[in-house]
Amino acid sequence: DQQVKQNSPSLSVQEGRISILNCDYTNSMFDYFLWYKKYPAEGPTFLISISSIKDKNEDGRFTVFLNKSAKHLSLHIVPSQPGDSAVYFCASGGYGGATNKLIFGTGTLLAVQP
Amino acid sequence: GAGVSQTPSNKVTEKGKYVELRCDPISGHTALYWYRQSLGQGPEFLIYFQGTGAADDSGLPNDRFFAVRPEGSVSTLKIQRTERGDSAVYLCASSLGTSGIGGELFFGEGSRLTVL
Repeated sequence: DQQVKQNSPSLSVQEGRISILNCDYTNSMFDYFLWYKKYPAEGPTFLISISSIKDKNEDGRFTVFLNKSAKHLSLHIVPSQPGDSAVYFCASGGYGGATNKLIFGTGTLLAVQP
Repeated sequence: GAGVSQTPSNKVTEKGKYVELRCDPISGHTALYWYRQSLGQGPEFLIYFQGTGAADDSGLPNDRFFAVRPEGSVSTLKIQRTERGDSAVYLCASSLGTSGIGGELFFGEGSRLTVL
């Protein structure tokens, strides 16, 4: 039973264009959502988060949108750069007050072509 | 170093053997987590420590898995009677605490375990 789903295993985008990565979740009780980025042979690194009480959070080139009615969130990267090429994981947390446990999606491999 | 350190980076073992994986968190981080990432999957929660105690071990798959953090810093994940299905990258993460939105975990590079 996958509570956090990333249905696109990969995405290819031209440098300078917008990258949109999508994530769906099933449990409406999650308190917050996060995006992590992972390069090969490295651990995931935190990118951006959003509380369930908000619908948008922006940090530089990265914006996360949350649509609670659709149980959907997306990460927008604009403009995309070759250094953004990595696997992006969506994660959710805070269910039942458990701030310690994150539930990750399966990841989307983003390739930004120069 | 400044980041989360995990050793060994790679471990190959035979089915039935015992394995220990070590994690040295960022200095001052009271919370420590173990996750497991199997091929093609996202990280999966195993266990969480706050200080020396295991505050949540609900992700440990069975009693072959055990983790300790005796002095509230370094942690060891122990796997007994390894099985081929235990093959994965074991990720350790630490954080300052679990207040507020939480979630900003600092991950190590992982220990890749291969059980033959």
